[in-house]
Amino acid sequence: EAQVTQNPRYLITVTGKKLTVTCSQNMNHEYMSWYRQDPGLGLRQIYYSMNVEATDKGDVPEGYKVSRKEKRNFPLILESPSPNQTSLYFCASSPWPSNTEAFFGQGTRLTVV
Amino acid sequence: AQSVTQLGSHVSVSEGALVLLRCNYSSSVPPYLFWYVQYPNQGLQLLLKYTSAATLVKGINGFEAEFKKSETSFHLTKPSAHMSDAAEYFCAVRRPSGNTPLVFGKGTRLSVIA
Repeated sequence: EAQVTQNPRYLITVTGKKLTVTCSQNMNHEYMSWYRQDPGLGLRQIYYSMNVEATDKGDVPEGYKVSRKEKRNFPLILESPSPNQTSLYFCASSPWPSNTEAFFGQGTRLTVV
Repeated sequence: AQSVTQLGSHVSVSEGALVLLRCNYSSSVPPYLFWYVQYPNQGLQLLLKYTSAATLVKGINGFEAEFKKSETSFHLTKPSAHMSDAAEYFCAVRRPSGNTPLVFGKGTRLSVIA
């Protein structure tokens, strides 16, 4: 089954404790991205990657890092989480260059206390 | 820059009534347009997409949307609402070429009343 898998689904952590949210896709897509969803703001792109070793900032990259060492994986790293990063995070992948449809993971609900 | 405006953060309809969720876009070039649905505790699922073919696009679960260039609109409709349609709906836009991200609207929560 074609899918984007995120882990964990739920995470509660403390301020400053580094964490990683994993994302993996099995569709051989070149393009992957991370979004955060906040009430009343919709989804905003954090980072994206057009292929292995090619990443770039989206609209709200501050406080986040990503890496793309393999085509299927695109982890999101919070080196020093803060409460304002409490949010619902989605990973998405798309074929490139057609990019006509994004496939989303189930989401990771992160709470930073 | 591209943008999407969804009119109404919350829409409530009776079961069996028409569903109309409004989306207006801004784009300097003819865009690709999408509607996604998000059920509680789930990710986003593509309902339908417009990629410059037919202006009336049919999607899953009985939904359809019409691209109207003159009105810069891409409203989502369904003739008869079902309880299972209760969810949050997002309209999104992107340029058809180049490395451009999906730009989402803020979402419309649809409630269906029995």
